[in-house]
Formats: sequence, C-alpha cells, structure tokens
Amino acid sequence: AQTVTQSQPEMSVQEAETVTLSCTYDTSESNYYLFWYKQPPSRQMILVIRQEAYKQQNATENRFSVNFQKAAKSFSLKISDSQLGDTAMYFCAFTKYNNNDMRFGAGTRLTVKP
Amino acid sequence: DSGVTQTPKHLITATGQRVTLRCSPRSGDLSVYWYQQSLDQGLQFLIQYYNGEERAKGNILERFSAQQFPDLHSELNLSSLELGDSALYFCASSVGDQGHNEQFFGPGTRLTVL
Repeated sequence: AQTVTQSQPEMSVQEAETVTLSCTYDTSESNYYLFWYKQPPSRQMILVIRQEAYKQQNATENRFSVNFQKAAKSFSLKISDSQLGDTAMYFCAFTKYNNNDMRFGAGTRLTVKP
Repeated sequence: DSGVTQTPKHLITATGQRVTLRCSPRSGDLSVYWYQQSLDQGLQFLIQYYNGEERAKGNILERFSAQQFPDLHSELNLSSLELGDSALYFCASSVGDQGHNEQFFGPGTRLTVL
C-alpha cells in the first residue's frame, strides 16, 4: 500500500523568508504522480504543484518549487518569498499512474508571520 | 472560485439518518471525485465517476454510495449515519478520467452527525 508521511505537523516562517515542507512516501511503483495541495482557512483545496515521477526535472510554479528525490522517495516543497496568503494547511499527495486512488499525508500547518 | 459547486454547505443530522450531498462539476469536466476529510482519518479518496460510470473506488463504506447523472452532476448518499461520519466532504472534478489530471475542488459540505 502506498503511504505518504509529512513529519512536520506545524511550521512557521517570517514574511519574505523561505520555508521547506517535507514529504516522504512509500511505493514499489516506478511511475506515479506527486502533488502538493494547499488548504487555506476557507477550506478550499487548491493544487499548488504537481510532479510526474518519470520526469527528472523538479517542477516549479512561481514561488513554489519541489525537490523530488526519487531514490529517497522524498518530495519536499519550497516556498520562496513567503506571503501572508500562504498561511494554510499543506497536503502532500500521491497517486499511481493508472490508479485514481489518491493518498494524502496528514498535512503541515504553515503560518506566515508578518 | 474553482467552478465546482457543492450543496448544501452545512448539514446537521442524527445518527441512523440518511443524507444526500450534491456536486456540480466545472463546465466541460467529465470526472467527479468524492473525498472525506475527518479529524480521525485525514483526507481520504472515496470514489470517482467518469461520464456516468464508476471508475475508481477508495475507502468508501458500504453504507455510502454515489452516482453521476447524465447532466454530469453527482450525488453522494450516506446512510445509517454514525457519529464518526461527521466530516467535511469534498467533491472535485477534472476533464479526463485519470487521477493525475488536475482536480478542481469544491468548497465542501460540512456534515455533523449528532
């Protein structure tokens, strides 16, 4: 079974600073997808970034980037120039290539302080 | 606004009762996914429909069922409700039938079972 682990229940960062959220996963699959979702206080789930396992290059979306280490089964999210609006729960998620059963980690609550 | 609508926003009911949650996907999206977010279990994938047919099943209880109608809206039926069914229920939609397609989440329905 696939499991996703987020070892940091809570983190905080000063506005304009950089923060990295950790995620590890366990799978025997070689082809899969990894995601980071953001859930602000409004509870709306928003896709932040997506990584395909067969792509070597780390995905980036503006201030958000990932460090994907396939051998180590690690998928961390780096947020640069943190903004107050980045305050949210962040969930790491995994899905196999041809399987739509998405597995989520327990989440990391990020607070950006002014 | 993701374009996915869910009704009702809040639902309060008693143990043993039956409720129906409704989801309208984004225009043009053929897939609907249902998720449960609870304090105990975290975020869990329940079930997916694509163009009216069940496509994938996750940790969905036998007391729960879903369907997708010809107009592509979907309903999640929860019966013989228990206290532990209290949760935030999300639906999401995507264009294709693959789980790795970007999913757009609705605002959720908060279910409270008393």
